[in-house]
Order: sequence, then C-alpha cells, then structure tokens
Amino acid sequence: DQQVKQNSPSLSVQEGRISILNCDYTNSMFDYFLWYKKYPAEGPTFLISISSIKDKNEDGRFTVFLNKSAKHLSLHIVPSQPGDSAVYFCAAYSGAGSYQLTFGKGTKLSVIP
Amino acid sequence: GAGVSQSPSNKVTEKGKDVELRCDPISGHTALYWYRQSLGQGLEFLIYFQGNSAPDKSGLPSDRFSAERTGGSVSTLTIQRTQQEDSAVYLCASSRSGGRTGELFFGEGSRLTVL
Repeated sequence: DQQVKQNSPSLSVQEGRISILNCDYTNSMFDYFLWYKKYPAEGPTFLISISSIKDKNEDGRFTVFLNKSAKHLSLHIVPSQPGDSAVYFCAAYSGAGSYQLTFGKGTKLSVIP
Repeated sequence: GAGVSQSPSNKVTEKGKDVELRCDPISGHTALYWYRQSLGQGLEFLIYFQGNSAPDKSGLPSDRFSAERTGGSVSTLTIQRTQQEDSAVYLCASSRSGGRTGELFFGEGSRLTVL
C-alpha cells in the first residue's frame, strides 16, 4: 500500500518554463516532507524539504508547496533547465523521532532545450 | 572521495547463492541506512544503524537478509540464498545525526541481479 504516491511517472517541459511535480500522501502522521533528485547511476541527493507547520518553502529556483488538508505537495522548478532532467522522489517522515523515510516511486523529468 | 562508497557497483549471481554488499559511510557520520529500489518502485527502508544502539531491522524483508556495522563505520548487507525477487539496487546512506535533523547522503548503489 503506497503511502506516498507520485502518479506521474514522467514529465516533459521546455527549457525556461515551469516544471510542476506532484505528490500525494495518505498517512496523516507524516509531518516532514522532502524532495530528492536522482541522476542515472548516482544516488539520490537532497533537494528541498518542508515541515508540516509551513505551506511553502523556497530555495532559489525550487519551491515546495504543502496542502495538508488535501494531503498534497508539489515541487515547482522555475525556470527549468536541461540539467534539471532527472528522477525526482517525494519522501516523508512521520513524527519528530522518526528516521525511516517513506518514498514515492519517482517522476522522471525531462527538460527539453 | 568524501562521499558514501558502495561495492560492488554491480553483482550478478545465481539463485540460491549468498551475496555481500558493502557500504563505507562518510567519516564522522553516526547514522547509516540501507534502502533498496526494485524496478519501478520507490526506495524501501531496510535497516538503520545509529551509533552503538541496537539497529532497527524492521524493514528487512525476510530472515535471509542481515546486516552489520563494524566499529561504527563500514556496514555489510548479506543476502543468503538469493531469490529472483531480491534483484534491486541496494542503496546505502549516512548522516551526521539520525532522523530528520541530519541530511542523508546516498551512495551510488549496488545493483544486484539474481538469475
């Protein structure tokens, strides 16, 4: 039973436009969310996170939005660059003492020059 | 390098054989994790080591899987009597402190193929 769902396996965006990656979750105990980026043959790298006490967190071109009532978060990349082409994983922790991350299946983003 | 190092990067084995996967975490990181990613799936938690505490093995899928961490550093994940469903990329990560307070740094993974 997938507790973190990324329903779009892939997404293609033109360079310079906005990329929006979506993530839904079912576990109401999740209270800290992260996005990881993964290039082929490399391990995932941390991108950005958000606590459930916030609804937005911004870091440069990357912004994560959290809608707790809808159990939905999204990652916005503006402007998209070819180097952003990668697989993006949404992940979540439940509880302050938790250390097990629950991951979605990932969305493959292709930014077309 | 200064990152998490995993070996082997690729392992092909026959069903029923035992395999060992190694992880060398970033120096000074007290927390070490093993995750695996099966084809088309997200990363699945396997086991967590934190300092000298007893590891959390709750994610290990069967008793054929075991892991140890020697001297608070290098970790070995052992899969006995491998099955085809064990085929996956096994990822190791370390962090300076456990849980959400410490950013996880992942290795490149060990791709296991069981024929």
